[in-house]
Amino acid sequence: TQLLEQSPQFLSIQEGENLTVYCNSSSVFSSLQWYRQEPGEGPVLLVTVVTGGEVKKLKRLTFQFGDARKDSSLHITAAQPGDTGLYLCAGAGFGNEKLTFGTGTRLTIIP
Amino acid sequence: DTEVTQTPKHLVMGMTNKKSLKCEQHMGHRAMYWYKQKAKKPPELMFVYSYEKLSINESVPSRFSPECPNSSLLNLHLHALQPEDSALYLCASSRLFPGTGSYEQYFGPGTRLTVT
Repeated sequence: TQLLEQSPQFLSIQEGENLTVYCNSSSVFSSLQWYRQEPGEGPVLLVTVVTGGEVKKLKRLTFQFGDARKDSSLHITAAQPGDTGLYLCAGAGFGNEKLTFGTGTRLTIIP
Repeated sequence: DTEVTQTPKHLVMGMTNKKSLKCEQHMGHRAMYWYKQKAKKPPELMFVYSYEKLSINESVPSRFSPECPNSSLLNLHLHALQPEDSALYLCASSRLFPGTGSYEQYFGPGTRLTVT
């Protein structure tokens, strides 16, 4: 069974601070997706990383896929209240339609 | 257009009712999914349809019955549900990420279901 552990589980920081969320597994994935979800809404896809060692930037968000394709990180620079939400990583298998979801990180940015 | 739509947004039903959830996408995606999500938990996969055929059923009780009328539509028929079935029900569709054997999923906004 593939498992994805996210850390931290909860994070509450002041506006303007930087933060990193980690997504770790002992399994290899063909790609890894990051989502942000607000209460009562569906997860919104932020990025898909597919190559070991890949780094993708989306404005103040930087995503990295580990060299061995087993882990990923999300770094947010100068966090804003609009970044508040549940962040989910999800790993895709090879030729497999299923996603394995991480345990989630609940982020709160305090104005 | 990366939109998956779901109706209704909210649904309250009694344990003897029959209702249906609807999902639609026009992105040409050939895989569609139903998930159940309880508060503060990640989504749990229920069903996957691939090319309009049920490819994955995660041992979901028979009171949930999926249907894929065509490549753009996905329904979830509900009958004789229990209060513990109250949750956010999410639909998703996916495409093969270019150049990989990897699927990339897009989610709808969800239906908040309350069973009384």
